[in-house]
Amino acid sequence: GENVEQHPSTLSVQEGDSAVIKCTYSDSASNYFPWYKQELGKGPQLIIDIRSNVGEKKDQRIAVTLNKTAKHFSLHITETQPEDSAVYFCAASRGFGNEKLTFGTGTRLTIIP
Amino acid sequence: AAGVIQSPRHLIKEKRETATLKCYPIPRHDTVYWYQQGPGQDPQFLISFYEKMQSDKGSIPDRFSAQQFSDYHSELNMSSLELGDSALYFCASSRLATSTDTQYFGPGTRLTVL
Repeated sequence: GENVEQHPSTLSVQEGDSAVIKCTYSDSASNYFPWYKQELGKGPQLIIDIRSNVGEKKDQRIAVTLNKTAKHFSLHITETQPEDSAVYFCAASRGFGNEKLTFGTGTRLTIIP
Repeated sequence: AAGVIQSPRHLIKEKRETATLKCYPIPRHDTVYWYQQGPGQDPQFLISFYEKMQSDKGSIPDRFSAQQFSDYHSELNMSSLELGDSALYFCASSRLATSTDTQYFGPGTRLTVL
C-alpha cells in the first residue's frame, strides 16, 4: 500500500518568513495530493490540492509543487502569519474518485511573532 | 456553506461498552469515509461507503462495523471498547460525480475509553 513520509515534524519560522514542508510517496499510481491544516481540537481543513497532471498550483500565499518522477511534493507558505500556526498534513490517493487518503505524519508549524 | 456534521462531539465510555458515532455528510455528497486519529498521530483510514455500499476497508478492527443509510448519513458502531480505542474519529465526505476527490472533514468525535 501507499506510504507517505513528511518532513520536518516541527518547524518554527519568524512571522513574515516562508515555510516549506516536504512529502514523499511510494505508490506510483497515486495522482491526487491534498494538503490539510489541522488546528487543535478541530478536523483537518483542506488548504490546497494538486493532481499529477499539474506541476505547481498557487493560491494566494500558499503553493504546492509536485515532482511525479521523484515522487515528492511540497507545500510553500509565504509571508507567514501567526494564524498559520497549526499542524499540516500531506496526503495521497489514487484519485479515481472516492479513494481513501493516506496521510503523512504531520508537521507542527509555529509562527514566531 | 454546509459542512460535515458529526455527533456526539465527545463521548466517554467504559471498557467493554459499545459506542455509536454518527456522521451527516455535506448535502449531495455520496461518499463517506471514517478515519481514526490517535494522539499526536496522523488520521488512519478505517472504512468508506459509496451509495450505501462499502467501497473500501482499511485497518478497522472486527469489533467495529459501519453502514451508510438511505439519506447518506453513516454510523460507526464500536463494541467491546478497549483503552486503545481512545482517539479522535473523523468522518469525511465527497461527491464522486464531481471527480475532484476532495474530501471534506467533520469536526470529529473525541472518544475516551476509561
